[in-house]
Amino acid sequence: EVQLVQSGGGLVQPGGSLRLSCAASGFTFSDYPMSWVRQTPGKGLEWVSAISGSGGNTFFADSVKGRFTISRDNFKNTLFLQMSSLRAEDTAVYYCAKSLGGYDPLWNYYYYMDVWGKGTTVTVSS
Amino acid sequence: DIQMTQSPSSLSASVGDRVTITCRASQGISNYLAWYQHKPGTVPKLLIYAASTLQSGVTSRFSGSGSGTDFTLTISSLQPEDVATYYCQKFNSAPWTFGQGTKVEIK
Repeated sequence: EVQLVQSGGGLVQPGGSLRLSCAASGFTFSDYPMSWVRQTPGKGLEWVSAISGSGGNTFFADSVKGRFTISRDNFKNTLFLQMSSLRAEDTAVYYCAKSLGGYDPLWNYYYYMDVWGKGTTVTVSS
Repeated sequence: DIQMTQSPSSLSASVGDRVTITCRASQGISNYLAWYQHKPGTVPKLLIYAASTLQSGVTSRFSGSGSGTDFTLTISSLQPEDVATYYCQKFNSAPWTFGQGTKVEIK
């Protein structure tokens, strides 16, 4: 059974940093891209970041580019999201998600999310 | 960036009704469109990918159609367990943008 166990959320002051983790099991972790998606209070889903299976390609939403870093440890089957310069608007439930997709010469990388972690809450407040 | 617009933003229908949700992309995305169901207190669930392919294990009450810029999610006979917010997502290239969601309730 595919499982994604998240950790690392919490309360942080504006301008602070936080690292989220997502431990994967039940599938060959390095074969699949992984993504982070967040849901802000009362609002919808927002794609945040993604990383290819090898870790060689990373992608970010404009809203977090330059502040968030995504990485993975394919030996420890763990995905990370390092968040810095946090703002109040980053307050959200963050989900990690196993992704499916590939590369198309016309569209570049294409990913969608087939299995989601249970989410971890990040609150940015003084 | 390509924008995804869903309509309606919410709807209320009776059990057994046929329900249709529309998603429009601001530019053509071929069939690189996924639909997700998100019930309160649970995690999002993939329903459909590639515009019309039903994810394994998802009831055939759900179906998707469309290509290019206009897409539709249909629930053939609304059931109480279908109460949720439904999101479309373009996945042809980054950013993999979601629509704003459609909240489905029982009348």
